[in-house]
Amino acid sequence: EIVLTQSPGTLSLSPGERATLSCRASQSVTGNFLAWYQQKPGQAPRLLIYDAFNRAAGIPDRFSGSGSGTDFTLTISRLEPEDFAVYYCHQYGRSPEVTFGQGTRLEIK
Amino acid sequence: EVQLLESGGGLVQPGGSLRLSCVASGFTFSSYAMTWVRQAPGKGLEWVSGLVGSNGSPNYADSVKGRFTLSRDNSRNTLYLQMNSLRAEDTAVYYCAKDQIAGDGIWLMSQWGQGTLVTVS
Repeated sequence: EIVLTQSPGTLSLSPGERATLSCRASQSVTGNFLAWYQQKPGQAPRLLIYDAFNRAAGIPDRFSGSGSGTDFTLTISRLEPEDFAVYYCHQYGRSPEVTFGQGTRLEIK
Repeated sequence: EVQLLESGGGLVQPGGSLRLSCVASGFTFSSYAMTWVRQAPGKGLEWVSGLVGSNGSPNYADSVKGRFTLSRDNSRNTLYLQMNSLRAEDTAVYYCAKDQIAGDGIWLMSQWGQGTLVTVS
């Protein structure tokens, strides 16, 4: 099983600032099949990024993904008030042994 | 518009059973792999089980293997999760989710339902 470790656990920033969230895998992620989700309180997760860097439909271009192998990053270029939430990385592929990171909480400073 | 509507959650005693349902609409249900993901209160996401669109065997997380059974009725656009021998640690919101692309499951969940709460106590 691939273990995903996200850092930091909590990130405190102000609107307008740049956010950089990290996801490190315990072994190389096949095909860079790495996704990012956003979850707000009381809501289901929302897919933001898939295949490491592709934005899902309707996702603003201030969200971007990068990385390969074992190290991946989600960047939010300029934080909007609605971006404060919990973010999860997720590795997937044809194996059903998919896993999630433990999450990064992005909070308003 | 894709819609996924879960039901069947509730309060159950340890050792009891529940059956969750997820009714899908807005897409060709039989063509997509479907997944259950759960989230314990205040915790992260955990993949529970997945099943491809047709002619496939379900896959399970080790934590539920032998206790949970995943099935689907493509004629009713419905996904089921039969949960037996429930434990306190199964307490969670259970989400039904649709794969992003049709065909064999890649387990990339592009759309999610709003979830149903299961409490084992």
